[in-house]
Amino acid sequence: AQSVTQPDIHITVSEGASLELRCNYSYGATPYLFWYVQSPGQGLQLLLKYFSGDTLVQGIKGFEAEFKRSQSSFNLRKPSVHWSDAAEYFCAVGRGSNYKLTFGKGTLLTVNP
Amino acid sequence: EPEVTQTPSHQVTQMGQEVILRCVPISNHLYFYWYRQILGQKVEFLVSFYNNEISEKSEIFDDQFSVERPDGSNFTLKIRSTKLEDSAMYFCASRDGTGTDTQYFGPGTRLTVL
Repeated sequence: AQSVTQPDIHITVSEGASLELRCNYSYGATPYLFWYVQSPGQGLQLLLKYFSGDTLVQGIKGFEAEFKRSQSSFNLRKPSVHWSDAAEYFCAVGRGSNYKLTFGKGTLLTVNP
Repeated sequence: EPEVTQTPSHQVTQMGQEVILRCVPISNHLYFYWYRQILGQKVEFLVSFYNNEISEKSEIFDDQFSVERPDGSNFTLKIRSTKLEDSAMYFCASRDGTGTDTQYFGPGTRLTVL
């Protein structure tokens, strides 16, 4: 069965600092991988996705993620965090005939001024 | 940009009552999903729907749950007799199925069962 682990429940960074959010997955084949962001009161917004090809993918809002098959990881990075990036971030894996998504528990990001 | 909408944003109900959560997926999308997130827990898949029938459901999606696409735009989730443990945020999502596998999510409905 597919599963996703986000080891960090809560991360606090200073504005302007770099950010890396960790995601590890378990899947029987090459997965489709996603990062979603949820701001308070908002839905889940897609940041970026990996299906195949280049293992470094670029997303919206200056985010990027790198797929590392050997480590079963898909970590999200941003070189310089903005206060507006404060939100909850979810990693997800999905494939199969219905492409249902399996989510991690999420990482809450707090940005200090 | 097209988006998925959900109503109501917050629903409060008494245990044992029926509730219907409504979603309007993106208009040219063909695949529809419901997920839920109990407070402090993961977002969990409930059901997927394609071509007017359920294509997959989780073990959470028991006989108390049903989905329907009553017309060309709405997609509903009905809980027949709500339990306290049904309190959660319910998200609707849709996907076009024409090559991109991205699911687009609505803002969610917070269901509170008293």
